[in-house]
Amino acid sequence: GAVVSQHPSRVICKSGTSVKIECRSLDFQATTMFWYRQFPKQSLMLMATSNEGSKATYEQGVEKDKFLINHASLTLSTLTVTSAHPEDSSFYICSVSDADREYEQYFGPGTRLTVT
Amino acid sequence: AQKVTQAQTEISVVEKEDVTLDCVYETRDTTYYLFWYKQPPSGELVFLIRRNSFDEQNEISGRYSWNFQKSTSSFNFTITASQVVDSAVYFCALLWTGNQFYFGTGTSLTVIP
Repeated sequence: GAVVSQHPSRVICKSGTSVKIECRSLDFQATTMFWYRQFPKQSLMLMATSNEGSKATYEQGVEKDKFLINHASLTLSTLTVTSAHPEDSSFYICSVSDADREYEQYFGPGTRLTVT
Repeated sequence: AQKVTQAQTEISVVEKEDVTLDCVYETRDTTYYLFWYKQPPSGELVFLIRRNSFDEQNEISGRYSWNFQKSTSSFNFTITASQVVDSAVYFCALLWTGNQFYFGTGTSLTVIP
């Protein structure tokens, strides 16, 4: 499997500020990266899909101007939560896949965001 | 449409009991993969198993076993002789042609010592 890291693992920020979460694929060519959000005691919900070098595709109900995704390389994707509010507090998980390796997807360890 | 149903929201068992976690899925695809993940309190998803739609053979790994039945669209997970360390949330998930995961709502398992 692939080794996927996320940074930071935990972050606390004040309401109105922006926070960036990094997702790195350490040994895997991540042509596609996915971002999920998980609220407490709920399931993972896909937020967006990004292909390297292209704009991300957002799921219905996810504000693209609020959750900025950049997938500039095969090893790095970033999710920026802009003007964060307490309701954005959640667990954010990324996953990576390779177009040549269908049906394989590997998850990062997650980032817990708390907005005060 | 793809859908994964985990009807059991919470289960509590006493240590050493066996427990089965149910998973029922829906998909029109003939090619798909089914997964089980464990999510301990730390939050990191721990991969347990992946099965493709063409392989209905049941699998056993230590105290874990999985029963895949296409006829009933089920992929159930059994833990034998449960231990306290098994306490976690368990997710069943479907990965289909679009390379998207559909997760069930999860089953929270508590093993009481």
